[in-house]
Amino acid sequence: QVQLVQSGAEVKKPGASVKVSCKASGYTFTSHDINWVRQAPGQGPEWMGWMNPKDGNTGYAQKFQGRVTMTTDPSMTTAYMHLSSLTSEDTAVYYCGRGPLRGSPYDETVFALDHWGQGTLVSVSS
Amino acid sequence: EIVLTQSPGTLSLSPGERATLSCRASQTVSNSYLAWYQQKPGQAPRLVIYGASRRPNGISDRFSGSGSGTDFTLTISRLEPEDSAVYYCQQFGNSRPYTFGQGTKVEIK
Repeated sequence: QVQLVQSGAEVKKPGASVKVSCKASGYTFTSHDINWVRQAPGQGPEWMGWMNPKDGNTGYAQKFQGRVTMTTDPSMTTAYMHLSSLTSEDTAVYYCGRGPLRGSPYDETVFALDHWGQGTLVSVSS
Repeated sequence: EIVLTQSPGTLSLSPGERATLSCRASQTVSNSYLAWYQQKPGQAPRLVIYGASRRPNGISDRFSGSGSGTDFTLTISRLEPEDSAVYYCQQFGNSRPYTFGQGTKVEIK
């Protein structure tokens, strides 16, 4: 079965960086984009960006441009999200999600995140 | 950026009743790109509807989606206690960023 397993909780100081991992299994890793979504306490989800594990292409929400880097290691079927210059406003649960199957017919494509990791709490506090 | 506005903020209903949740977009969203998620406390969101009206495998047929253009609806028929959750709509594919609504909380009395 499809599984996305994320790394454990992190506590960071303001100004620091964090790197969250997302280990995928149960499907062909390079066939689906990996998306990252975060959710601040008591708030709705916020989409951060996507990465294509096959060719390394990325797309980031403008809000995070310059601070976020998404990478993958296809040999380890693992995706990573690196966020720098942390502030208290970055305190949130960070999720990875599996995006649509690339190359599938348009009418059959699931334009959504059909599987999610369990989430990684990142706390930023001095 | 497409803004998705969900209403109502909270729905409080009894088991067996029907829940009707609304998601309104600030600009036209293709039906293919409108998804709904269910999120229970302490859990990741779970996809319940994609393509505005399609159910993923394993999702109960009590969940149905409809709508087009800027107005979309998630309907949960014959409510059960396990349906208690926050529900989010998302546009995924129309334009980046792939925004979410602020959520509707469904409470089962």
